[in-house]
Amino acid sequence: TQLLEQSPQFLSIQEGENLTVYCNSSSVFSSLQWYRQEPGEGPVLLVTVVTGGEVKKLKRLTFQFGDARKDSSLHITAAQTGDTGLYLCAGDFGLVGTYKYIFGTGTRLKVLA
Amino acid sequence: DAGVIQSPRHEVTEMGQEVTLRCKPISGHNSLFWYRQTMMRGLELLIYFNNNVPIDDSGMPEDRFSAKMPNASFSTLKIQPSEPRDSAVYFCASSRDRGYTGELFFGEGSRLTVL
Repeated sequence: TQLLEQSPQFLSIQEGENLTVYCNSSSVFSSLQWYRQEPGEGPVLLVTVVTGGEVKKLKRLTFQFGDARKDSSLHITAAQTGDTGLYLCAGDFGLVGTYKYIFGTGTRLKVLA
Repeated sequence: DAGVIQSPRHEVTEMGQEVTLRCKPISGHNSLFWYRQTMMRGLELLIYFNNNVPIDDSGMPEDRFSAKMPNASFSTLKIQPSEPRDSAVYFCASSRDRGYTGELFFGEGSRLTVL
């Protein structure tokens, strides 16, 4: 069974603090994506990482793909209330030519003013 | 451009009734995914299609669930008969293959409550 574990499950922090969210699996992904979901909406893509060791930055968000392509982390610097939401990682376990995205268990972040 | 369109947004039905959820993917996208989201189990992949062909339905819970994609612009997910444990938000997503990866574009979801 392909399983993506995220930690922590819940996180409540003050505005301005830093935080890191983790995504781990025992399987190797061909690529990994991070999504954010707000209440009543579908997830929205933040970033895709493909190469082991890859680091991508999106404003205050830094994404890293593990060297072995089995894990990833999302670091937020100086969190803002607008960062509140459910963060989901998704690994691609598809066959060549198709994409099969399996989502992690999710991290629910609340940033307090 | 219109995003992924799902209907209905909300459905409340009684146990044993048939439920049909509908999805219109983004024009030009060649992959379509059905997911189910609950607090307990998170976002689960039920089935996905590529060029209208079902590729992997191993996530479909049981024979009560079926999905079709008769053409590139329409897909349905049917539950017959429905049970209270089917209560969840069902999402449809589409993507366009782009080399190594494809970004998933999600609809707003169909919230199903089975009484």
